[in-house]
Amino acid sequence: GDSVTQMEGPVTLSEEAFLTINCTYTATGYPSLFWYVQYPGEGLQLLLKATKADDKGSNKGFEATYRKETTSFHLEKGSVQVSDSAVYFCALSDLEAAGNKLTFGGGTRVLVKP
Amino acid sequence: NAGVTQTPKFRVLKTGQSMTLLCAQDMNHEYMYWYRQDPGMGLRLIHYSVGEGTTAKGEVPDGYNVSRLKKQNFLLGLESAAPSQTSVYFCASKLLWDRRNTEAFFGQGTRLTVV
Repeated sequence: GDSVTQMEGPVTLSEEAFLTINCTYTATGYPSLFWYVQYPGEGLQLLLKATKADDKGSNKGFEATYRKETTSFHLEKGSVQVSDSAVYFCALSDLEAAGNKLTFGGGTRVLVKP
Repeated sequence: NAGVTQTPKFRVLKTGQSMTLLCAQDMNHEYMYWYRQDPGMGLRLIHYSVGEGTTAKGEVPDGYNVSRLKKQNFLLGLESAAPSQTSVYFCASKLLWDRRNTEAFFGQGTRLTVV
């Protein structure tokens, strides 16, 4: 079956530091890949996505590239802010799976200190 | 824009009690999902629906039932709550069209505690 593995947190950084969160996946088909973010007390919201190999998703200074050869979708940001403190989830959507449902990684909590 | 709305936002149940969580979306999405979120385990799919009148089991369906009588609503029921069902529950919805590109939209969550 489909699965997503992402690095465990928490990840604690100082403001303006570089952030990377590793994500690898296994899928039976050719999935679309997503990063969702959950701010404290809120639901999940889409941060970025990539729908085919070598696509780069980007938003709010975050980037991730769909690497089919290494089955990875690592999230990066060059200079984090305190407002980036949140839980980040890597996810895939396997188009061949019934219901086109999302499979999530375990989430990585990021804490940015001033 | 309401998007996906979940009610209630918080609830405390006693073991053995029943309750229903309501999810409503106003985006005319065909797909709807119920997930539970537990520490370190990400989100796990409980049940999902691909359209009005249809439901299917997800990864962790035991102890839950669902119904989708109207396209915009997806109900999650707990018939006899157990402490293991203490969790945060999220509803999500998604368009059927252009499945590769469409994202899922999530509600704000329901924090359920079973004592």
